[in-house]
Amino acid sequence: SQQGEEDPQALSIQEGENATMNCSYKTSINNLQWYRQNSGRGLVHLILIRSNEREKHSGRLRVTLDTSKKSSSLLITASRAADTASYFCATDDTATGNQFYFGTGTSLTVIP
Amino acid sequence: KAGVTQTPRYLIKTRGQQVTLSCSPISGHRSVSWYQQTPGQGLQFLFEYFSETQRNKGNFPGRFSGRQFSNSRSEMNVSTLELGDSALYLCASSMVGDEQFFGPGTRLTVL
Repeated sequence: SQQGEEDPQALSIQEGENATMNCSYKTSINNLQWYRQNSGRGLVHLILIRSNEREKHSGRLRVTLDTSKKSSSLLITASRAADTASYFCATDDTATGNQFYFGTGTSLTVIP
Repeated sequence: KAGVTQTPRYLIKTRGQQVTLSCSPISGHRSVSWYQQTPGQGLQFLFEYFSETQRNKGNFPGRFSGRQFSNSRSEMNVSTLELGDSALYLCASSMVGDEQFFGPGTRLTVL
């Protein structure tokens, strides 16, 4: 069963605006990862945040993790048309180790 | 460093047939995981292999099986194909406890 749930399911913004998407999960985790997928292709790894970290940056990406609320957010700043894709969070489970659970994804459309 | 490769990229089969998909991980990665992605169910974990041993298994019927070779390459097999097996099958490799790197996937269509 899926552990992660992304919110919103779909997001449409203008180029240059910021995009925020959220992920909630159910169990204790070792780490949480965010991925991007373009139109039915393979997933591209964006960022990994470990359970003892609260915030992480990578370029225009900012990820936060709140383990007390079992939630994470992904912020994309100054969005571009090329950011149009589906975004997924993936969590492991401390009980099952290297088995990852993916959320349902947020479909982001950036309008030029 | 070469990425994860999957073959074939596209496959069309008929109900009742079987299929074998192949995945070559990134050099040095010993963990290989398989996922099924469908519009209705999203990304579902199939199984994970490490050092030729299946360590984790998702909630799929026994028709879905896999194996890993000593060079970490992995195959998954689906027997007695059903229409509902049509999906994008993704393979991912990783160092244990680290980020997973995905291949481009194999698009399986069952007619």
